[in-house]
Amino acid sequence: GAVVSQHPSWVICKSGTSVKIECRSLDFQATTMFWYRQFPKQSLMLMATSNEGSKATYEQGVEKDKFLINHASLTLSTLTVTSAHPEDSSFYICSARGTDFYEQYFGPGTRLTVT
Amino acid sequence: GQQVMQIPQYQHVQEGEDFTTYCNSSTTLSNIQWYKQRPGGHPVFLIQLVKSGEVKKQKRLTFQFGEAKKNSSLHITATQTTDVGTYFCAGSSNDYKLSFGAGTTVTVRA
Repeated sequence: GAVVSQHPSWVICKSGTSVKIECRSLDFQATTMFWYRQFPKQSLMLMATSNEGSKATYEQGVEKDKFLINHASLTLSTLTVTSAHPEDSSFYICSARGTDFYEQYFGPGTRLTVT
Repeated sequence: GQQVMQIPQYQHVQEGEDFTTYCNSSTTLSNIQWYKQRPGGHPVFLIQLVKSGEVKKQKRLTFQFGEAKKNSSLHITATQTTDVGTYFCAGSSNDYKLSFGAGTTVTVRA
């Protein structure tokens, strides 16, 4: 099956700093990538949808200036959490889908802790 | 916006027994997908249902899509310890975005 990697798998940063998370599709071209946030024992909340070469579409309530998304190529999307605060601590998961299939393949997730 | 409700939130099952988790959408869906997330892991795609009234089976798992395409269910027979995890339904309209249900977390007692 299709493989999606995510880096880093966990990160601890100080309040006020920025953190970049990478999401890569390893064996297929991801025309669309999705970024989710998951709190402990809760469901996945879609943050934004990104298509290669165009601006990301953010869900209602998600600050686009705080969560910068770049989808520069068909295999890479990045999420940058700017000026992180403790309330941004969470599990961030990306997923990707290609043109030939409908399901989403998820990365392993990144656990962000802001101190 | 589209909302997907899923019940029960927790399911504690005796090994060998059957159980069902249910999803309901506030709007008509174009398709519904099911994912499984093991403890500490990430969601893994199980199946997609597209047609009204569709039923699909994967070994001990049976997935159904309602006639009105607003509800779905996952039924697992003869539960095994390998079935432990959280099962999410996720509904989609025609824009490929998924709205995830709250998930049903399954634990199994031997």
